[in-house]
Amino acid sequence: AQTVTQSQPEMSVQEAETVTLSCTYDTSESDYYLFWYKQPPSRQMILVIRQEAYKQQNATENRFSVNFQKAAKSFSLKISDSQLGDAAMYFCAYRSVRRSQGNLIFGKGTKLSVKP
Amino acid sequence: DAGVIQSPRHEVTEMGQEVTLRCKPISGHNSLFWYRQTMMRGLELLIYFNNNVPIDDSGMPEDRFSAKMPNASFSTLKIQPSEPRDSAVYFCASSFRQDVEKLFFGSGTQLSVL
Repeated sequence: AQTVTQSQPEMSVQEAETVTLSCTYDTSESDYYLFWYKQPPSRQMILVIRQEAYKQQNATENRFSVNFQKAAKSFSLKISDSQLGDAAMYFCAYRSVRRSQGNLIFGKGTKLSVKP
Repeated sequence: DAGVIQSPRHEVTEMGQEVTLRCKPISGHNSLFWYRQTMMRGLELLIYFNNNVPIDDSGMPEDRFSAKMPNASFSTLKIQPSEPRDSAVYFCASSFRQDVEKLFFGSGTQLSVL
């Protein structure tokens, strides 16, 4: 079975600085999707960025980028120029591409605080 | 589109009572998921449906939990009888089955069982 591990329960960053959130996963599959979700206090789950495992190029969305190391099964999220609105819980998630396993498997999350 | 709609947003009930959580997926989506979020266990999949048929209910904690999807636009998660350890945030999410990377979440139902 696949597992997702986020080893940092809490992180803190100064406004305008850069922070990296860690995520590792375990799977025997060769093709899959990886995601980072943001959950602010409103509880809404917001997709931040996604990566297809067959793509070697790291995904980027504005200030958010990932470092995808497939051999190491590592998928870290880098937030550049941190803003106060980035403060939230961040969840790393894995999803199989097989139709019989369409659900997301989540890590336990990292709480990010942004200091003004 | 209004997104995935869940109701109620908050539910407070007493132990032993029946609780029903509701979800309306995005129109046209044919996969629906129920997740539970707690501090201790994080986000856990309870059950998911494809084309209104339950595919995997291995995450349903016990027989007190049941889920139905009578049509493509509505699903319920029922707990009977409820217990304090059921207190959690329950999320519903939907997607196109073929579009496996795009999963849309509702705002969740905060359940408190006293």
